[in-house]
Amino acid sequence: AQSVAQPEDQVNVAEGNPLTVKCTYSVSGNPYLFWYVQYPNRGLQFLLKYITGDNLVKGSYGFEAEFNKSQTSFHLKKPSALVSDSALYFCAVRDMGNAGNMLTFGGGTRLMVKP
Amino acid sequence: GAVVSQHPSWVICKSGTSVKIECRSLDFQATTMFWYRQFPKQSLMLMATSNEGSKATYEQGVEKDKFLINHASLTLSTLTVTSAHPEDSSFYICSARDLAGGNSPLHFGNGTRLTVT
Repeated sequence: AQSVAQPEDQVNVAEGNPLTVKCTYSVSGNPYLFWYVQYPNRGLQFLLKYITGDNLVKGSYGFEAEFNKSQTSFHLKKPSALVSDSALYFCAVRDMGNAGNMLTFGGGTRLMVKP
Repeated sequence: GAVVSQHPSWVICKSGTSVKIECRSLDFQATTMFWYRQFPKQSLMLMATSNEGSKATYEQGVEKDKFLINHASLTLSTLTVTSAHPEDSSFYICSARDLAGGNSPLHFGNGTRLTVT
């Protein structure tokens, strides 16, 4: 079984400050890890993914995430937050050995960036 | 980039009627599409996996006779909510992966907000 945990329901940060949205995962094999962002009443937009290679992955809109195998974490980060970054963020995992290609999502973290 | 179109974006229907939601991959082929349901302030819950040319695979607890899924071509999957009730009101999102598969991410539609009165 695979699972994802996003321990924070909401993260508040001031514009211009760095932000971190936490994610930990559990899979039986090696993970594919993803971050998605959801704006109100919209579907999900892909931000970035980790498959293999460098632990630090860079994605859209200046976001990056660091894969930490020992801590089974994949925290999303951005050096300087924008008000427009305010949205709902989902971390997701897929077991590399999962032939069904099913993604498991975390519960989501609402990011609020205040001017 | 890859685009998934979902239609309608919102729909209001009366209790007891049926509603069809379409999910199209616009610039790629998808043998597999996924249907998710999202309750307010909650994460996405996978309802079913739609396989082109074969029966959908439903997750535990999802009524296959109520949520009919048809995947008639490599670019179109439909979800029909039959005999809708107010408790079916929710946000439904489809997703698809390019036929090339591999490590490509899922692409999501913009979702359909269903309100059953």
